[in-house]
Amino acid sequence: GAVVSQHPSRVICKSGTSVKIECRSLDFQATTMFWYRQFPKQSLMLMATSNEGSKATYEQGVEKDKFLINHASLTLSTLTVTSAHPEDSSFYICSARDSARSMNTEAFFGQGTRLTVV
Amino acid sequence: GDSVTQMEGPVTLSEEAFLTINCTYTATGYPSLFWYVQYPGEGLQLLLKATKADDKGSNKGFEATYRKETTSFHLEKGSVQVSDSAVYFCALSERGRDDKIIFGKGTRLHILP
Repeated sequence: GAVVSQHPSRVICKSGTSVKIECRSLDFQATTMFWYRQFPKQSLMLMATSNEGSKATYEQGVEKDKFLINHASLTLSTLTVTSAHPEDSSFYICSARDSARSMNTEAFFGQGTRLTVV
Repeated sequence: GDSVTQMEGPVTLSEEAFLTINCTYTATGYPSLFWYVQYPGEGLQLLLKATKADDKGSNKGFEATYRKETTSFHLEKGSVQVSDSAVYFCALSERGRDDKIIFGKGTRLHILP
């Protein structure tokens, strides 16, 4: 199947700093990518939909200025957690669908990024 | 809005036992339905899917049937193995809704040898 690569897989940062997470579709193009946050023993919460060449669409309650999303090409979306705080510590996962295929086909997920803010 | 409800875990079974994980959904249109699996320390993988009513998705011995009348998509396996231990997520995606996937809360499955 198609591969979505997420980097880094694990990062520890100090409070107040910013962290960038990359999500790449390796063998397909994705006009839309999705960013999720997963709390321990809980489900995936959709944070935002990343659209290539335009602004991301954020879910209700997600701070746009806190979680900056850039989708500069058809194979790369980035999530930047700005001025990180310990409560931002979580598992962040991206996903993407193949733009060349019809809607409602499977989405492919990255391996996830474990962010720890100390 | 759209939502997915699945049985809470953890579910603990012995090897070779029969597995059922219940999943029901709420949607305004005609969604596609999915089961994803997350093994420890890994991202999500698609396990199976169904795109219309009465479709049956199957993979690795797992099955789920899209039941429109009961808005359900229960996951079943006749004989589980220790390697099936993971978290299972039921999910839906509705056409024309930005292709967003809405997940249930996940069910953690432990299989004992």
